[in-house]
Amino acid sequence: GDSVTQMEGPVTLSEEAFLTINCTYTATGYPSLFWYVQYPGEGLQLLLKATKADDKGSNKGFEATYRKETTSFHLEKGSVQVSDSAVYFCALATGFQKLVFGTGTRLLVSP
Amino acid sequence: ETGVTQSPTHLIKTRGQQVTLRCSSQSGHNTVSWYQQALGQGPQFIFQYYREEENGRGNFPPRFSGLQFPNYSSELNVNALELDDSALYLCASSLLGDYNSGNTIYFGEGSWLTVV
Repeated sequence: GDSVTQMEGPVTLSEEAFLTINCTYTATGYPSLFWYVQYPGEGLQLLLKATKADDKGSNKGFEATYRKETTSFHLEKGSVQVSDSAVYFCALATGFQKLVFGTGTRLLVSP
Repeated sequence: ETGVTQSPTHLIKTRGQQVTLRCSSQSGHNTVSWYQQALGQGPQFIFQYYREEENGRGNFPPRFSGLQFPNYSSELNVNALELDDSALYLCASSLLGDYNSGNTIYFGEGSWLTVV
């Protein structure tokens, strides 16, 4: 079945460091891909998305490119801030009308 | 602010009891999905409702059931609560075609259920 694999956390960075969170997927067909962010005690917020191969999603300095050849959708940010500390979830959506999530990666950014 | 509201935000139940969680979807959305997020895990799909009918179900037992009302709001009911049911329950609001088109699927802030 469809699945998403994310790198395990926590990822600990200093402010202004470069961030990469790896995400790979397995899916039948051509899924849409998403990154969601969850701040402490809150629900999920869509961070960015891509609906077809080679699309780049971007938002708030975060980027991810849909790579069909490597079945990947890695999240990157050039300079993280303390306020970026949260849990990040990679997810895919297929024709089965549901989201399939990875287990999440906790990001901790220190001043 | 997503326009998706869930209630209650926190509750504590005893093993064996029953619980009802509620979700008001975003205006204009006809599809509601429910997800269970255990501590430290990603959300898991429970089921989806479209126009008051169940439209897909994940790997959850029948004691997890739901309803969707004509105004597209929804309830999640869990009977015979077990300790492992302790989790954050998330409601997601969308149009049915949004999953294929990649349009935004909006989540509420969730209901935290603790079973003791």
